[in-house]
Amino acid sequence: QVQLQESGPGLVKPSETLSLTCAVSGYSISSGYYWGWIRQPPGKGLEWIGSIYHSGSTYYNPSLKSRVTISVDTSKNQFSLKLSSVTAADTAVYYCARAIAAAGTGYFDYWGQGTLVTVSS
Amino acid sequence: EIVMTQSPATLSVSPGERATLSCRASQSVSSNLAWYQQKPGQAPRLLIYGASTRATGIPARFSGSGSGTEFTLTISSLQSEDFAVYYCQQYNNWWTFGQGTKVEIK
Repeated sequence: QVQLQESGPGLVKPSETLSLTCAVSGYSISSGYYWGWIRQPPGKGLEWIGSIYHSGSTYYNPSLKSRVTISVDTSKNQFSLKLSSVTAADTAVYYCARAIAAAGTGYFDYWGQGTLVTVSS
Repeated sequence: EIVMTQSPATLSVSPGERATLSCRASQSVSSNLAWYQQKPGQAPRLLIYGASTRATGIPARFSGSGSGTEFTLTISSLQSEDFAVYYCQQYNNWWTFGQGTKVEIK
């Protein structure tokens, strides 16, 4: 059974960098697929932030691209998100997920439980 | 960027009735379309992929149809556990989500 678990600070100050990690169990990241980050502001919809392919290639939402970095650590079977220069608008539940691709870039079949990150001084 | 538009924003349905949710893409996404269900405090759950294929363990009352730019999710007979928010998502060109349709009890 594939499981994903987000971890990181629940409170980040404005202008600082948000850092989260997604630990994967039950599947080796280096074996394949895209691994992504999605966020959901309180009471709002889902927004794709970016994804990393198992090879290390990265793909970002154009609206966030200048502030986002996603990396992978295959030795620990985890991938990470960094979002710089955060504001209150970045307050959201952040999810990590696996995208399985039979066609296109793939649908998200496994999700973490999500972690709430609040941006506030 | 491909924009996904869902309608209606809210759908009021009585238990046992049929619910029909729509999703439109701003350009063709072929059949690279997924539907997710989200309940309060939970992560989204994959229902449908490839526009019409049910994910593992999803009941047969959920069905998806469409291709290109127009898609539909149908819940044939709503059960109490089906009242939730539903999102469509294209994965033909990276990923974008619709804004969601809330299915509420009438």
